[in-house]
Amino acid sequence: DGGITQSPKYLFRKEGQNVTLSCEQNLNHDAMYWYRQDPGQGLRLIYYSQIVNDFQKGDIAEGYSVSREKKESFPLTVTSAQKNPTAFYLCASSIGRGAHQPQHFGDGTRLSIL
Amino acid sequence: EDKVVQSPLSLVVHEGDTVTLNCSYEVTNFRSLLWYKQEKKAPTFLFMLTSSGIEKKSGRLSSILDKKELFSILNITATQTGDSAVYLCAVGSNTGNQFYFGTGTSLTVIP
Repeated sequence: DGGITQSPKYLFRKEGQNVTLSCEQNLNHDAMYWYRQDPGQGLRLIYYSQIVNDFQKGDIAEGYSVSREKKESFPLTVTSAQKNPTAFYLCASSIGRGAHQPQHFGDGTRLSIL
Repeated sequence: EDKVVQSPLSLVVHEGDTVTLNCSYEVTNFRSLLWYKQEKKAPTFLFMLTSSGIEKKSGRLSSILDKKELFSILNITATQTGDSAVYLCAVGSNTGNQFYFGTGTSLTVIP
């Protein structure tokens, strides 16, 4: 079945450690997105990519990094510079590059600090 | 500053009731408004609205957009316990081709 796979489902980070969240899609979608969801704050955009080897910062990119070397993959690294990383992270993709295509979401990764 | 505001924040109803969820927005260069349902994990797509006054309908759910007053409503008739979820509203902007999400409305349907 086509879809978006995020892994792991749960992740724990130690102080000063970088961690990478995986997002893979087999929908042949051009655009991919990373969101952070905190209680009472809805989804906030971290980074997005509309084509391979290109990506743009969202509203809360500080402390995060991404890459888009393949169309299917858009990993997110939470760096030690992100001081409050505990949150639910959602990856999404859409077939086109514009804001007129519905996004399909993965099941999310819940990141916690040890 | 672009923003999307949903109301109410939470709602508890009994099975069979009809509910109306609201979404108002101030987003530069509006392109689309989308509704999603989020139960435990991944939000699932419900509707996309781009034109004013045209109702989108799927079973017991329906939605309409008013681009002049900058809001949308999501109606659910004859609610069921399976409708319990967080309903998210997202507005797409042609500036940067990104979406702005509201905080969601948490709906609980009691048997």
